[in-house]
Amino acid sequence: DAGVIQSPRHEVTEMGQEVTLRCKPISGHDYLFWYRQTMMRGLELLIYFNNNVPIDDSGMPEDRFSAKMPNASFSTLKIQPSEPRDSAVYFCASSSQGTQYFGPGTRLLVL
Amino acid sequence: RKEVEQDPGPFNVPEGATVAFNCTYSNSASQSFFWYRQDCRKEPKLLMSVYSSGNEDGRFTAQLNRASQYISLLIRDSKLSDSATYLCVVNRGGYQKVTFGTGTKLQVIP
Repeated sequence: DAGVIQSPRHEVTEMGQEVTLRCKPISGHDYLFWYRQTMMRGLELLIYFNNNVPIDDSGMPEDRFSAKMPNASFSTLKIQPSEPRDSAVYFCASSSQGTQYFGPGTRLLVL
Repeated sequence: RKEVEQDPGPFNVPEGATVAFNCTYSNSASQSFFWYRQDCRKEPKLLMSVYSSGNEDGRFTAQLNRASQYISLLIRDSKLSDSATYLCVVNRGGYQKVTFGTGTKLQVIP
């Protein structure tokens, strides 16, 4: 079975541009998480969904960030407008019984 | 105080050595505990769950001390392939929300 799939794997953009990150969770998993990892702050939970419904978005840094999960097999994390401080690795993870399985991440660089 | 704290290391140990990491957590209501491993430029992967009675998986032993609110990971007979960052993870009972520690870096040297 395929693991969590994320795209793109790398993204380089300029400040002010819109960035959309995509995630396909493992089939059958009912929880989906978005994390951000930086050297300074480690791995931070941004938002998580249960059965496609956002449960906790308290980790979303500001209104420039938004996430959606239109169906059980797809989620997006959007940053609009992007800023250099958004540069990080963004991970998507999914779970069904507690153990979270991570995707390979998207490395975002905002110039 | 951070929810989950770890010594960042790095721990540099020779092959064959035994090394132990500790992780402290602040919320006494926490009920589930895990160790994840993250290789350089890769995603975190579950290493093992931590059970109240302690548990072992090959060369790896995890223990939980609820009274002192810490968990530990012991690696025996270290291999070069054990070089990675080890992340302590704590969640709360029925909640899926977890907190990751910032990780302890291990470098096993020949």
